[in-house]
Amino acid sequence: QVQLVESGGGVVQPGRSLRLSCAASGFTFSNYGMHWVRQAPGKGLEWVAAISFDGSNKFYVDSVKGRFTISRDTSKSTLFLQMNSLRAEDSAVYYCARGVGDCPNGVCYRSHHFDYWGQGTLVTVSS
Amino acid sequence: IVLTQSPGTLSLSPGERATLSCRASQSVTSNYLAWYQQKSGQAPRLLIYGASSRATGIPDRFSGSGSGTDFTLTISRLEPEDFAVYYCQQYNTSPEWTFGQGTKVEIK
Repeated sequence: QVQLVESGGGVVQPGRSLRLSCAASGFTFSNYGMHWVRQAPGKGLEWVAAISFDGSNKFYVDSVKGRFTISRDTSKSTLFLQMNSLRAEDSAVYYCARGVGDCPNGVCYRSHHFDYWGQGTLVTVSS
Repeated sequence: IVLTQSPGTLSLSPGERATLSCRASQSVTSNYLAWYQQKSGQAPRLLIYGASSRATGIPDRFSGSGSGTDFTLTISRLEPEDFAVYYCQQYNTSPEWTFGQGTKVEIK
């Protein structure tokens, strides 16, 4: 069965860095685009970043451009989010999610929506 | 594209029909509109994609409809486990993925 397990969250001071990981299993990781979606305490969902199935394309919400970097290690079926210059407003539960949409021959070239989510990891940015 | 969900909170009793609205600021490309359910302390769960297709394992009391800028999620008869927060989400070719602010369905 598909599983996504995030790790790496914690408490960090403003301006510092944190690296999140998402270990994937139960599917062919290299066939799917992957995403990070966050949720601030008591708030709604916000898409943060995406990486294409082959890692060649990366996209970010404006508020994290230049500070966050999404990457993937296909050999380890793991997704990463490197977060630098963290701000208080980055405090949230961060979910990784599998993207699906245009998937000819089992390879998802475009993500229209998210069919599997991890349980999330909490990031708190505070002095 | 901005998605606006209404109402913010829906107070209903088990067995009643729930109608949730999601309105987009521009036409949603090819009806790339999805709905998710989120229970307290849990990750979101995909319910509907492509505006009207049910995801795997989703009961048929959940249905989605709409096109262009106006979309609806209907729960035909609320079960106790359906009381949760519901989000709509759209994709466009920028690419951009955005969520609505959510509708809470609570027990009356």
